[in-house]
Amino acid sequence: ETGVTQSPTHLIKTRGQQVTLRCSSQSGHNTVSWYQQALGQGPQFIFQYYREEENGRGNFPPRFSGLQFPNYSSELNVNALELDDSALYLCASSLAGQGWYEQYFGPGTRLTVT
Amino acid sequence: AQKVTQAQTEISVVEKEDVTLDCVYETRDTTYYLFWYKQPPSGELVFLIRRNSFDEQNEISGRYSWNFQKSTSSFNFTITASQVVDSAVYFCALSEANAGGTSYGKLTFGQGTILTVHP
Repeated sequence: ETGVTQSPTHLIKTRGQQVTLRCSSQSGHNTVSWYQQALGQGPQFIFQYYREEENGRGNFPPRFSGLQFPNYSSELNVNALELDDSALYLCASSLAGQGWYEQYFGPGTRLTVT
Repeated sequence: AQKVTQAQTEISVVEKEDVTLDCVYETRDTTYYLFWYKQPPSGELVFLIRRNSFDEQNEISGRYSWNFQKSTSSFNFTITASQVVDSAVYFCALSEANAGGTSYGKLTFGQGTILTVHP
């Protein structure tokens, strides 16, 4: 059973650019959540995808968007990058539909916006 | 709105000391889940425990123990006989549950407590 993987590990972008981060869910999982963790802060919920549909969204602007693919891998896209977008981006996968389901976090992608 | 407060930003102890990490939460939900996660320098969040709002029984797992008190909205975490490997950032988190008692899993995290255990 493979764990949750994320790519790339690190990324440096310039303000105004666009970025795509990727997450590969744990095998068999149908739900993925994305979190943003600024330095020295706790992770903040961005959104969740369940069976390729957005299933809840946190307090993030529309320039944060996502996709979930039939194989349950996922992307987080951020347009018009701002300096405050610099953070560790974590994805977590889980298997919904069987009562409580555990979330498994990936190692994260550290994004630096200059 | 849900909120989790970890009042201790940083704690420093010497190996073998006991240490308690405090967590206070706010929610209007009657059914919810509470969690503790550990985040080592590698960045990955490691799940430690989940508690649902109907189960106030304290739990012990090896050197770890958790004290859940609904009356004070607290879910504190104690490490007994701390070790250097316990050094990490620890997060308390809260998740709402839908009417069916399950949760789609949105987690509200506290700010985290940096624990440093010195040899």
